[in-house]
Amino acid sequence: KNQVEQSPQSLIILEGKNCTLQCNYTVSPFSNLRWYKQDTGRGPVSLTIMTFSENTKSNGRYTATLDADTKQSSLHITASQLSDSASYICVVRGDSNYQLIWGAGTKLIIKP
Amino acid sequence: DGGITQSPKYLFRKEGQNVTLSCEQNLNHDAMYWYRQDPGQGLRLIYYSQIVNDFQKGDIAEGYSVSREKKESFPLTVTSAQKNPTAFYLCASSLRLTGPNTEAFFGQGTRLTVV
Repeated sequence: KNQVEQSPQSLIILEGKNCTLQCNYTVSPFSNLRWYKQDTGRGPVSLTIMTFSENTKSNGRYTATLDADTKQSSLHITASQLSDSASYICVVRGDSNYQLIWGAGTKLIIKP
Repeated sequence: DGGITQSPKYLFRKEGQNVTLSCEQNLNHDAMYWYRQDPGQGLRLIYYSQIVNDFQKGDIAEGYSVSREKKESFPLTVTSAQKNPTAFYLCASSLRLTGPNTEAFFGQGTRLTVV
C-alpha cells in the first residue's frame, strides 16, 4: 500500500535553533517528492520538489534531502524564525498522472 | 493579482442540507482539484478536472458533486449524502494534469462545520 509517514507529529523548538523533519514513503514507482508549508487555516505552499536523481535541494533556510534507495526524505530548517511555525507536509507523486500521496504533516512551533 | 480564490472562508451547514463551495482561479490553469483535510490525516482527493466539462472521481467522491462549466471555476457541492462533512476543504489548480514536475497551487481553504 502506498503510504507517506512523517515524524515527529509535532515539534517545539526555540527561535534561532535548527530542526530536521523526517518523511518515509513506500510509494512505488516513485516520480517525485515535494515539501509543503501550511500555515494554520491556509492552503499549502510548495517549498521544494525533488526527483529521483536529486539528493539535496535548498530554498533559503530550508534544505531537503532525498535517499531514493531507503525511501527517506528530510527537511532541515536552519536558524528558525517565528514565521516558520506551521505544518510541514511531505507529498510523494506515484505513477499515475494525478496520484499524490500526502503525509499527515509535522506541526512545528517556534517559541521566542 | 493572480491566484486561487475560495469562498466562503467559513461555512456552516445544517443536517440534511446541500452546500456549495466556490473555487475560482485566474492562472489560466487547465487542471483543478478538490481535497479534504482532516486533523491528523493527509489530504484526500475528492474530485479533479483535467479540462472544461470533464471531471473524475478521486479517492473519496461519495457524497460530493462538482461541475466544470468554465475553465476558471470548479465548485464543489457537499450533499446530504456526505455523512461526515465537517472538514477543511482545499481547492487547487495546476497548469496541466500530467507531467512529473507539475506544481499545484492551493486556495486558502473553506472550513465547513455541520451544526
